[in-house]
Order: sequence, then structure tokens, then C-alpha cells
Amino acid sequence: QSVLTQPPSASGTPGQRVSISCSGRTSNIGSNTINWYQQLPGTAPKLLIYKNNQRPSGVPDRFSGSKSGTSASLAISGLQSEDEADYYCAAWDDSLNGYLFGTGTKVTV
Amino acid sequence: EVHLVESGGGLAQPGGSLRLSCAASGFSFNTYEMNWVRQAPGKGLEWVSYISLGGSTVYYADSVKGRFTISRDNAKNSLFLQMDSLRAEDTAIYYCATLWEQQLDYWGQGTLVTVSS
Repeated sequence: QSVLTQPPSASGTPGQRVSISCSGRTSNIGSNTINWYQQLPGTAPKLLIYKNNQRPSGVPDRFSGSKSGTSASLAISGLQSEDEADYYCAAWDDSLNGYLFGTGTKVTV
Repeated sequence: EVHLVESGGGLAQPGGSLRLSCAASGFSFNTYEMNWVRQAPGKGLEWVSYISLGGSTVYYADSVKGRFTISRDNAKNSLFLQMDSLRAEDTAIYYCATLWEQQLDYWGQGTLVTVSS
């Protein structure tokens, strides 16, 4: 498996909570930290969550991350229209000596 | 403020070559490992290559191994990607990004590479 598996889409109404899963293996999520990236339409990706559950400065606390074993998840609470974007999980893979991205999840509000 | 600006993209024929550059400013370039990431039209993100602080360690995705070469010039705050033997499937937006403790902190705006006859 050379990618991390995510659901292709997720949706919710404003104010709802949405959760996105990310499944990997021991060599990537199981051994290294998971990061999440947000890509708004027509823009470059932006770091959203790092080291499993840390938010960079400026990222609202509506976004939260967690990790357990070889899986991780991103939760968006209090969904807003500006959260419509593609979300990618990612982690270093020790077997591949490379950075693995998830398949991506399109969030629709 | 961290600034990464990619250049060098454009149209190339199958089997041809292109050299991408990434100009860095606003931070100590020689303290960051660097990466190239690409995104084919309408597709997801794909990691391409990694280079260590001094350039002695490099890694490549299997899809580009043997065809692409990553390098850096710390004196000029620049990152490069030499792309040879280009294929149609290399068509993508190419982003340079800093790597800090396993996260890609900062990204450039990307440069489009199109491989077509």
C-alpha cells in the first residue's frame, strides 16, 4: 500500500460536525506523526494539523486531529462554508523512505 | 515572512527535460529539509522528492526514480528539480515545500508542467 486511505467525500450542514478517517500501516502512521493539509479550490495546500493533534498558529480550534495505532482522524466541528475544501492526511513512511499522502477527502458544506 | 516561489514550468515534449527552481526567502533556508510535491490535474497530492539540509541525502518516489534529480544551493537559497525523460503522466503542478519535524510547513504557489507532443 503506497497511499493512505481516506473516504472520497464528506458533507454536512453549517454548524454540524464532520469527521474524516485516514488509514495506514505500521511503517507510516504506526511509526510517525500524522499531519493534515487543507487545499482550498485553486490554491496550494496548507498545513492544518501537525504532530497528530497540533494546530499551527491561525488555525481555528474547530479543527482537531487524533491518532490511534495505524489510523487517524480529522474532525471539523461547527462546520462553516469556508471549510469547503480538499483535505489530505500525510505521514512519513519508513519502508518507502518517502512522504505518503492520503487519497484526499472533499468536504462539502 | 516565509516565501517560496517556484519557476521553470512549461510545456515539454515526451522524452524531454525541464529544470524547476524554487527561490526561498524569509527564513534560514539551510536549516530546512526540502521537498517537491506534485498534483496532476484533478488528482490528489503526490510526494516526489526529498533533500536533506546539506544535500547529501535524497529520496525519490518510485514513479520518478532514475529520471528526476533534486538538488539545492544553500548559498543562493534555492531548490531545484531536474526532470529528464518526461512522460505524459508527469503533467502536474509542482510545489516546493519545507519539511520540519515530519510536517510540510510552508508551500510555494506551484508551477505547472505539461508534457505533451
